[in-house]
Amino acid sequence: IAGITQAPTSQILAAGRRMTLRCTQDMRHNAMYWYRQDLGLGLRLIHYSNTAGTTGKGEVPDGYSVSRANTDDFPLTLASAVPSQTSVYFCASSGRESGELFFGEGSRLTVL
Amino acid sequence: GQNIDQPTEMTATEGAIVQINCTYQTSGFNGLFWYQQHAGEAPTFLSYNVLDGLEEKGRFSSFLSRSKGYSYLLLKELQMKDSASYLCAVRDSNYQLIWGAGTKLIIKP
Repeated sequence: IAGITQAPTSQILAAGRRMTLRCTQDMRHNAMYWYRQDLGLGLRLIHYSNTAGTTGKGEVPDGYSVSRANTDDFPLTLASAVPSQTSVYFCASSGRESGELFFGEGSRLTVL
Repeated sequence: GQNIDQPTEMTATEGAIVQINCTYQTSGFNGLFWYQQHAGEAPTFLSYNVLDGLEEKGRFSSFLSRSKGYSYLLLKELQMKDSASYLCAVRDSNYQLIWGAGTKLIIKP
């Protein structure tokens, strides 16, 4: 593994189903983030974690939950998916003083 | 509210120079970032400005004026591979990133 790995890369999901997007990094970064990206909008922060064991809500947290059991993993769960959660989801991490973000390749989620 | 404004789309010619502007209104300021995002790919870091002035990195330069809430990304000697979206982001007083919607740059031969 090099950098940040997300899985799955693409998924079609029926409304009401539970879904977990996985994110793993091998850079030993303390801070990790989940964003969603929708056409015509900027990246919007869903949840973040400044260090293992802590999480926080971002701009659009409703309908999503996260956990940070260790430094490397930061899964995002949709408890009961709805069509408005159709989006591209990016996981990112940051370990430098400047705050530069390193992004995973993204997970394209379609909720029908 | 917090706001980042950048043009939706720009077109330029291969070999030319293009300037992408970004204006911001945020609760505090702790740095401005530019990212490049090719279609279907993840954003990648281009530059970081925290002090006023110009930061040069090869063909790319980024300028910041904190008093004007303004930045620009300057791309020289444009290449076809520079066709991408360019995202401006500002870190606010809570150290959270506020993102612009991105500028889609189209390079024509």
